[in-house]
Amino acid sequence: DAKTTQPTSMDCAEGRAANLPCNHSTISGNEYVYWYRQIHSQGPQYIIHGLKNNETNEMASLIITEDRKSSTLILPHATLRDTAVYYCIVMSDYKLSFGAGTTVTVRA
Amino acid sequence: DGGITQSPKYLFRKEGQNVTLSCEQNLNHDAMYWYRQDPGQGLRLIYYSQIVNDFQKGDIAEGYSVSREKKESFPLTVTSAQKNPTAFYLCASRLGVEAVEQFFGPGTRLTVL
Repeated sequence: DAKTTQPTSMDCAEGRAANLPCNHSTISGNEYVYWYRQIHSQGPQYIIHGLKNNETNEMASLIITEDRKSSTLILPHATLRDTAVYYCIVMSDYKLSFGAGTTVTVRA
Repeated sequence: DGGITQSPKYLFRKEGQNVTLSCEQNLNHDAMYWYRQDPGQGLRLIYYSQIVNDFQKGDIAEGYSVSREKKESFPLTVTSAQKNPTAFYLCASRLGVEAVEQFFGPGTRLTVL
């Protein structure tokens, strides 16, 4: 299984962009990168996913490097409600494997 | 409303007792999953089912059992053989194994006294 490495925690000012890095150097050519987030004591919520190209939706943008060994999730205008644990996941064998994620704290 | 229901939200049991956690979905999803989460940790896969009447062990299946007799239901039994059952349990579903988005229920927090 391709593993991911994320920083343990990061702070972000409200209204500013939050850039969350993720390393996945062992990713295979057909494996997707997924991002989920988990607000305290709730079930995780899907954010975005990508294979090679950069992706954007109403929640976030996903930038994947050309060699696919790393990616960055961008929350364009962080709000207090974006405080959560963010998981970067490489889906393997149709299963999601969650690491410890990055705890993002958005401060007013 | 469509979604995944887990009940109860909080559950207390005495050590040595089996307990069954409920998971129901009305999304018409084929695939269903059970995860366990310990404080400060990520989710770990216990069991999953890709279709009715079929299920597979995940990474930490020991001490747990499941059934998938109906498409909408995937109950998890925590048996007395599970050494550290106190945890947050999350159920999830996807339309199919190749579907993009996996939906999660609100979770059940099990405390074994």
